[in-house]
Amino acid sequence: AQSVTQPDIHITVSEGASLELRCNYSYGATPYLFWYVQSPGQGLQLLLKYFSGDTLVQGIKGFEAEFKRSQSSFNLRKPSVHWSDAAEYFCAVGSVFSIGGGADGLTFGKGTHLIIQP
Amino acid sequence: NAGVTQTPKFRVLKTGQSMTLLCAQDMNHEYMYWYRQDPGMGLRLIHYSVGEGTTAKGEVPDGYNVSRLKKQNFLLGLESAAPSQTSVYFCASSYSGTYSNQPQHFGDGTRLSIL
Repeated sequence: AQSVTQPDIHITVSEGASLELRCNYSYGATPYLFWYVQSPGQGLQLLLKYFSGDTLVQGIKGFEAEFKRSQSSFNLRKPSVHWSDAAEYFCAVGSVFSIGGGADGLTFGKGTHLIIQP
Repeated sequence: NAGVTQTPKFRVLKTGQSMTLLCAQDMNHEYMYWYRQDPGMGLRLIHYSVGEGTTAKGEVPDGYNVSRLKKQNFLLGLESAAPSQTSVYFCASSYSGTYSNQPQHFGDGTRLSIL
């Protein structure tokens, strides 16, 4: 079964500093990978996605992520964080759930809580 | 444009009671999903639907039922609520499935407590 690991439960970064959030996945085929952000009390918003092609993908709010097949990783980066980036970040992979195969949905990591220091 | 709307936003139930969570989307999306979010667990898929009149099981379907009688609505039911179902429930919708170039749009969640 597919799985997603986000090794860091919490990360604290100073405002203006660079950011990298780690994501490792386990999947038998070519993965479809996503990063979502969740602000307190809100639903999830898609930051970016990787389906195929260029391994460096650009997203909204100045985020980017790089797919590295050899490392089974899809790390999220931002060159300079803003206080408004404080949130929960989820990495996800497209999933197959049903016993008969061919299902739909996302498997999420447990999330990384980003704290921004002034 | 409301997007994905979940009703109610908060609810407290007693063990054994039943209730239905409503998800409505106004984007004419075919696919709809119900997830639950528990502390330290991320989101896990409960059930999903690939179109009006269809439903399918996700990762954690036990104790829940769903219905998609209208394209815009996806209902999640708890027939006999248990404390283990205390969670935050998220609905999502998308124009087409995960393996397409269409993202899932999420509602703001329903916080459900079972006493």
